[in-house]
Amino acid sequence: GQQLNQSPQSMFIQEGEDVSMNCTSSSIFNTWLWYKQDPGEGPVLLIALYKAGELTSNGRLTAQFGITRKDSFLNISASIPSDVGIYFCAGTFPYNQGGKLIFGQGTELSVKP
Amino acid sequence: DAGVIQSPRHEVTEMGQEVTLRCKPISGHNSLFWYRQTMMRGLELLIYFNNNVPIDDSGMPEDRFSAKMPNASFSTLKIQPSEPRDSAVYFCASSSLRDTSTWVGTEAFFGQGTRLTVV
Repeated sequence: GQQLNQSPQSMFIQEGEDVSMNCTSSSIFNTWLWYKQDPGEGPVLLIALYKAGELTSNGRLTAQFGITRKDSFLNISASIPSDVGIYFCAGTFPYNQGGKLIFGQGTELSVKP
Repeated sequence: DAGVIQSPRHEVTEMGQEVTLRCKPISGHNSLFWYRQTMMRGLELLIYFNNNVPIDDSGMPEDRFSAKMPNASFSTLKIQPSEPRDSAVYFCASSSLRDTSTWVGTEAFFGQGTRLTVV
């Protein structure tokens, strides 16, 4: 079926370290999105990617849309305690195919001060 | 814009009762998604609408679940009768078409969710 495989499932890092997580799929997506979810809240969009090969930054966050359109990664540089949370990748099918948006399983990030 | 608005934020109900969750998407958005989040299954897409029309409801777990979108500014997700295993956080999200020439949609924005507990 249509699935996004996100890894790693969890990460425990020291403050100041860089973080990398990725998503892969057997399906081709039109859009890759990265979200962060804090406890008790809905997912909040961090970065949106619209073109194969696109590399986009948002502060300490950098994400890339894989050239095959089947994968994406998110890097966080110089992590800080407020980076703690669950990060989700999401892929959107082309709108003329319904625009379905599906999510990876999430990466739980813990940052030790 | 106030963002996606969901109500109620919390719902506790007894098994067998009907539950109705509500969502107001961002004005101007024409796609609306309902997700269910649990520890075991993560974020599951239940159903989504484009221009108020249900496109794919294959994620709806059982006939006890139903969703409607009577107009562009309102959607409901109903569970009747509710069961303890329906306990979860239910999210609504909305998005719109970003580029009509390439059919690229915009990012989806989420509401704060409804935490449902069925006892």
